Amino acid sequence: DTEVTQTPKHLVMGMTNKKSLKCEQHMGHRAMYWYKQKAKKPPELMFVYSYEKLSINESVPSRFSPECPNSSLLNLHLHALQPEDSALYLCASSSEGAMNQPQHFGDGTRLSIL
Amino acid sequence: GEDVEQSLFLSVREGDSSVINCTYTDSSSTYLYWYKQEPGAGLQLLTYIFSNMDMKQDQRLTVLLNKKDKHLSLRIADTQTGDSAIYFCAESDQAGTALIFGKGTTLSVSS
Repeated sequence: DTEVTQTPKHLVMGMTNKKSLKCEQHMGHRAMYWYKQKAKKPPELMFVYSYEKLSINESVPSRFSPECPNSSLLNLHLHALQPEDSALYLCASSSEGAMNQPQHFGDGTRLSIL
Repeated sequence: GEDVEQSLFLSVREGDSSVINCTYTDSSSTYLYWYKQEPGAGLQLLTYIFSNMDMKQDQRLTVLLNKKDKHLSLRIADTQTGDSAIYFCAESDQAGTALIFGKGTTLSVSS
């Protein structure tokens, strides 16, 4: 069982919809991450939050908007997505900020854009 | 830049040992990781090794690290059908924040 919880598990949305992905961890970790994973590929880093501040944005399009309301929660707001954005979105967390600490992943949200 | 290479497929019979190999480029990585991904699931942190260690054993799993050759391996003893999954090798990037993943090795276990 994963200690990083992601909701929803599956999401189907149209290109004009607005939706949010949610991630929660209660391990006291202070770094949280969003990754995107296409089928049969490794995960690709999107965003890193360290101590609730955005520290890395890997040139992600503005239709993806991350938010870290507190140290346990991480959201990813979605708006005007494209079909190529269909993928598995993975959240991860690590302890003591983001430096060289093992990352623990959730089970992901499988997103389909119609 | 940083790069992690792995073979793409491995097929073994149940009860045999599996060895998954990985090479990496960044010698400054503090930790090297093995993640397991079952179909439809997220990534499970299987094990990791500190860069100043040569070997780590955890039940059926043995990790070997050859720093001179920048080679990492994962040995699974007595492989079971439940071990069928994709195994990702990963290292930290130079900033120590992002993970650099290999393309993943698909392990297929036949009974």
